[in-house]
Amino acid sequence: KNEVEQSPQNLTAQEGEFITINCSYSVGISALHWLQQHPGGGIVSLFMLSSGKKKHGRLIATINIQEKHSSLHITASHPRDSAVYICAVLRSGSRLTFGEGTQLTVNP
Amino acid sequence: DADVTQTPRNRITKTGKRIMLECSQTKGHDRMYWYRQDPGLGLRLIYYSFDVKDINKGEISDGYSVSRQAQAKFSLSLESAIPNQTALYFCATSEPGSNNEQFFGPGTRLTVL
Repeated sequence: KNEVEQSPQNLTAQEGEFITINCSYSVGISALHWLQQHPGGGIVSLFMLSSGKKKHGRLIATINIQEKHSSLHITASHPRDSAVYICAVLRSGSRLTFGEGTQLTVNP
Repeated sequence: DADVTQTPRNRITKTGKRIMLECSQTKGHDRMYWYRQDPGLGLRLIYYSFDVKDINKGEISDGYSVSRQAQAKFSLSLESAIPNQTALYFCATSEPGSNNEQFFGPGTRLTVL
């Protein structure tokens, strides 16, 4: 079993829908990251969380440390949100462990 | 200009060839990383360096070596490439104390025939 599990693996939505991507982990962490990988391959950091909730534009990330679970929400989804979303956890030793990613496709 | 650059962006080579992938950064970060990404798998750490004199193996270092020529440069070498090293390779940087927020290069797509 992977230490970081994401669900779903693939998600197709219609423009305007509310989207949720989940991340569960089985190890102790000091922080959790959400990353976005564009169709061209580039990876950018969206959020870094150690507790609670963060919001940036239409994106919201939450984390529940006790339940070892995080969610990434996208409100009013748009085709330009189509990408792979990656969850990564920071453990001791300053190394990240990555989930396999969730492929999101938003259709117009 | 991009803060983290990788060269080449694409490379096709043959089994047994020696290949070097280069990474440069202008962010002034001490920490640099090399990852590979395969379809259906998460990013996996090959090697990392926390400063110029520090080199550490990641989870999949076999078949790879690295060189940290300067704070800004971190190179990954495949001494004798094999087909299962075909993958997308990413370099990343971070600063200490930042909860390891990492900044990624654009990736190098390597194909070994």
